[in-house]
Amino acid sequence: AQTVTQSQPEMSVQEAETVTLSCTYDTSESDYYLFWYKQPPSRQMILVIRQEAYKQQNATENRFSVNFQKAAKSFSLKISDSQLGDAAMYFCAYRSANSGGSNYKLTFGKGTLLTVNP
Amino acid sequence: NAGVMQNPRHLVRRRGQEARLRCSPMKGHSHVYWYRQLPEEGLKFMVYLQKENIIDESGMPKERFSAEFPKEGPSILRIQQVVRGDSAAYFCASSPLDRGGQPQHFGDGTRLSIL
Repeated sequence: AQTVTQSQPEMSVQEAETVTLSCTYDTSESDYYLFWYKQPPSRQMILVIRQEAYKQQNATENRFSVNFQKAAKSFSLKISDSQLGDAAMYFCAYRSANSGGSNYKLTFGKGTLLTVNP
Repeated sequence: NAGVMQNPRHLVRRRGQEARLRCSPMKGHSHVYWYRQLPEEGLKFMVYLQKENIIDESGMPKERFSAEFPKEGPSILRIQQVVRGDSAAYFCASSPLDRGGQPQHFGDGTRLSIL
């Protein structure tokens, strides 16, 4: 079974600075997807960024980018120019891409609570 | 284009009562997933449904919990004879397909509190 580990329960960053959130995962599969979701105090689950494992290029969405290291099974999220609205719980998630089996389940880490200081 | 709609946002039940949580997927989405988030935890998969079919309920407790997604109307997650340990946030997600890395779009969740 796949597992996702977020080793930082809490992180803080100064407004306008850059912060990196860590995520590692364990899988025996070669084809999969990785996601970062944001959960603000309103408790919505908002998709931040997605990475296909077969792509070597790191995904980028505006101020959000990832560092995907497939061999190391690492998938960190970098937030540049942090804003107050970035304060939230961030969850890393894994999803298999295999055509057989349960390739629809998202497996989540326990989350990292990000605080942005003005 | 409305997102995934869940209701109620908050639900309070006494031990032994039934809880019914509703989820209307995004327009054009025929795949629905339910997840549970316990305090201080990430979301855990419960069940995956398509219209009139339960595809995978491996993450759902065998007793007291059931889910359906009828031909017409929302998906329902039903918890009978609730206990304190059922207190959690229950999230519904939907997607147009169950493969190809299609992201699952989440609703705002239902916070269930058991007195």
